[in-house]
Order: sequence, then structure tokens, then C-alpha cells
Amino acid sequence: GEDVEQSLFLSVREGDSSVINCTYTDSSSTYLYWYKQEPGAGLQLLTYIFSNMDMKQDQRLTVLLNKKDKHLSLRIADTQTGDSAIYFCAPAETGGYQKVTFGIGTKLQVIP
Amino acid sequence: DGGITQSPKYLFRKEGQNVTLSCEQNLNHDAMYWYRQDPGQGLRLIYYSQIVNDFQKGDIAEGYSVSREKKESFPLTVTSAQKNPTAFYLCASSPTGLESPLHFGNGTRLTVT
Repeated sequence: GEDVEQSLFLSVREGDSSVINCTYTDSSSTYLYWYKQEPGAGLQLLTYIFSNMDMKQDQRLTVLLNKKDKHLSLRIADTQTGDSAIYFCAPAETGGYQKVTFGIGTKLQVIP
Repeated sequence: DGGITQSPKYLFRKEGQNVTLSCEQNLNHDAMYWYRQDPGQGLRLIYYSQIVNDFQKGDIAEGYSVSREKKESFPLTVTSAQKNPTAFYLCASSPTGLESPLHFGNGTRLTVT
């Protein structure tokens, strides 16, 4: 099955850019999602990219996809303390239901 | 506002008791899912349902059961057969079709002692 790898932890200073990286194994993923989880809460969809795109920008968020290397990244510009959370990379095969594989999540700590 | 409601937020049970976690959605989504989250691990799929009165096992279904009698509701029962039930349980839903990201509830933290 699909395997998704992310680094466990990232620490940045407020105002800097954050880059969270993810590698995955299954090239049949149709969409690649990024979710954010704050402590004790559910997952919130941040953004996603279709597999035939290589970049998507959404306000402070930029997603880059290198399909050849099966590498996905999420860049957060001007990182704020409210961005402190766990970020999950989640490739998905779509059809009647969403077959989504989640990485273990990257904990982003923003230092004021 | 549309969304997914999970209740209760915290649940405590004694070992050997079955317990049912509630999940309700008013997003009119066809598909619903249950995931389990353990510290330091990604989410693992327990069960999913694409349509009323039908559901499928996910990767870790042993010790769990579900029902889907209504489109809006997908309760999860953690049975006494589940060896390690203490975890954070997340319910999600999605429309069917291509561009259909999962929408999550706020989770139920189950502690079994």
C-alpha cells in the first residue's frame, strides 16, 4: 500500500517561511491534500493539488508537487504563531470513496 | 453552518465494556469514515461507508463495528474485543466524485482503564 513520509518536527521564527516536506510511494494518487491539526481537534483541510499540476498558490500557502520524485511540499509564507500545529500530507485515490493515506504529521513550532 | 458533530468529546470506560461513539453530518455527503489516531502515528482507517446500509472494513477493523442506517449518521462501536481501545477517534465525510476532500469532526478521546 501507499507509504507517506514526513519529518516529525520543524521550528521557525515568526515572520519566516516554513517548508514542510513529504514523500509518498503510490503514483496513482489523484489528489494530494494538506491538513492542519491543532491540539485536541480534528483535521482541517488547508489546501490540495491535483496530480497533474506542479504548483498551487493559495494566499500564504504554496504547494509544490514533483510527481517524478513523488515529493510534495507545503510552504507557509510569513509564518504566524497561529500556524503552530501538526501538518499532515495525505495523498488520495478518488472514486466512490476517498482512499486517503496519512503521513505521521509534522509538528510546526513557531517561535515569537 | 454545515459540519460534522462527534460526541462526546471525552469518554471513559472500564475494560470489557462496549462503547458507542456518535458521528452526525449535515453536509449531505454520501461517504463517511472512521479513523483512529495514536500518538506519533498517522490516521488509520477503521471503517468506511459509501452509501446507506453499506459499509466496508478499513485497515484496522478488528474489535470495531459500525452501522449506517441514515445518511447523516455513522456510529462506531468499540467492542470489548478491541485489544487497545484507548485512542483519539476521528469521523470524516466526503462527497463522492473526483474533487472530494475529507471533512473531519473534532474527534472523541476514548480512555479505557
